[in-house]
Amino acid sequence: GAVVSQHPSWVICKSGTSVKIECRSLDFQATTMFWYRQFPKQSLMLMATSNEGSKATYEQGVEKDKFLINHASLTLSTLTVTSAHPEDSSFYICSARWPGHSNQPQHFGDGTRLSIL
Amino acid sequence: AQSVTQLGSHVSVSEGALVLLRCNYSSSVPPYLFWYVQYPNQGLQLLLKYTTGATLVKGINGFEAEFKKSETSFHLTKPSAHMSDAAEYFCAVTRGSSNTGKLIFGQGTTLQVKP
Repeated sequence: GAVVSQHPSWVICKSGTSVKIECRSLDFQATTMFWYRQFPKQSLMLMATSNEGSKATYEQGVEKDKFLINHASLTLSTLTVTSAHPEDSSFYICSARWPGHSNQPQHFGDGTRLSIL
Repeated sequence: AQSVTQLGSHVSVSEGALVLLRCNYSSSVPPYLFWYVQYPNQGLQLLLKYTTGATLVKGINGFEAEFKKSETSFHLTKPSAHMSDAAEYFCAVTRGSSNTGKLIFGQGTTLQVKP
């Protein structure tokens, strides 16, 4: 069964709206979660690393004030797309690494399709 | 810096035929390597991983991959394709034992299976 739950699956909203996406680790605690963005027919691009209890680490070129990340507990990270515009429309995917040794793989949520009108 | 190159953005095979998806990597440190599969509008599912030890790695759904350091490759194979294997496949690399968990993905390969 799924070990990472992402919600919602689909979001359609008007330009200027802020949208929050949740990523939950099920049955395990994830001190680190990752947020990716995927454009159609393209690969996943890492946006940021979400660290429980501290600030997220953003990849170069990702606007911190645009994509707010909060990792308030060991099982929940949220990504808020603030004042979303049509160019923010994309498929957003989160992942969490199983705790323990560094060779543990990441487990991915099912993604959130965001469409800004 | 690390990178991953998947040769062939689109691979088409007949049902029952051999599947070969190619992945080459670049890494200055011993890498950990992964293959993930993605079905439409879904997240990624881990097929298999290589960290250390045996270089031939077996995964789910009959897939396997072989880590070849001399060729910096980690090609994915399956002896006999099934219609349900049609999906997008991603090869990914991290920085081995010192990794922060960041995955670097290849561009992806779309596998089409013809009846």
